Amino acid sequence: EDQVTQSPEALRLQEGESSSLNCSYTVSGLRGLFWYRQDPGKGPEFLFTLYSAGEEKEKERLKATLTKKESFLHITAPKPEDSATYLCAVQAGGGKLIFGQGTELSVKP
Amino acid sequence: SAVISQKPSRDICQRGTSLTIQCQVDSQVTMMFWYRQQPGQSLTLIATANQGSEATYESGFVIDKFPISRPNLTFSTLTVSNMSPEDSSIYLCSVVGGLNTEAFFGQGTRLTVV
Repeated sequence: EDQVTQSPEALRLQEGESSSLNCSYTVSGLRGLFWYRQDPGKGPEFLFTLYSAGEEKEKERLKATLTKKESFLHITAPKPEDSATYLCAVQAGGGKLIFGQGTELSVKP
Repeated sequence: SAVISQKPSRDICQRGTSLTIQCQVDSQVTMMFWYRQQPGQSLTLIATANQGSEATYESGFVIDKFPISRPNLTFSTLTVSNMSPEDSSIYLCSVVGGLNTEAFFGQGTRLTVV
C-alpha cells in the first residue's frame, strides 16, 4: 500500500536556526514527490517536485532532496514568515497525490 | 501555473441539505481531482473528475454522497449530499499541470454543517 509519513509532526525553531523536515514514503512506481506549504485557511501552495533519487531543488531558504526512500526539506536560517504547515505528497499512477500528515513549523523571532 | 477558482469559499449548511462546490481553471487541464481536508488532518483524495465520463472514486467515497460533474476541460463541480456534521471539512479542487510536473490547488471551500 502506498504510504507517506512525515516527521516531526511539529517543529519549533528560533529565527535563524536551520533544520530539516523528513518525508518517508513507500509507493509502487513513484512518478514524483511534491512539497507544499499550507497557511491556515488556505489551499496548499506548490513548492517543488522531485522525480529521481539524488535530485535537489532550491527556492529561497528552502532546499528539497530525494532518495529512494525519503525526502528532506531543509530550511536554512528560517524567518517567522516561514511558519506554516509543510506537506509532502507522492504521485503514483493516474496523477493522484497521496499526502503525509504534514509538519507544522513555527519560527519565533 | 494554473489559476484555480473555487466557489463558495465557505458556507454554513443545515444537516440533511446539499451543497455544490464549483471549480474553474484558467486553462484546459486533463486531470482534475477533489480532496477533503478534515480539521487538523492532511488531504485525502475523494475522486478523480473525468471529462466526459463518470468520476473515479477512492475507497470510502461513493457517488451518491459526492456526485461530481466535469462538463469540459476547465470546470468541475462536487456536491456534498445529505450533509451531516461529520462532513464539516475543507474541500479542495486540484489540477495537474503539463507533463505531470506540478499539481495546483484552489483555495478550498470551508464547509461547516450544523
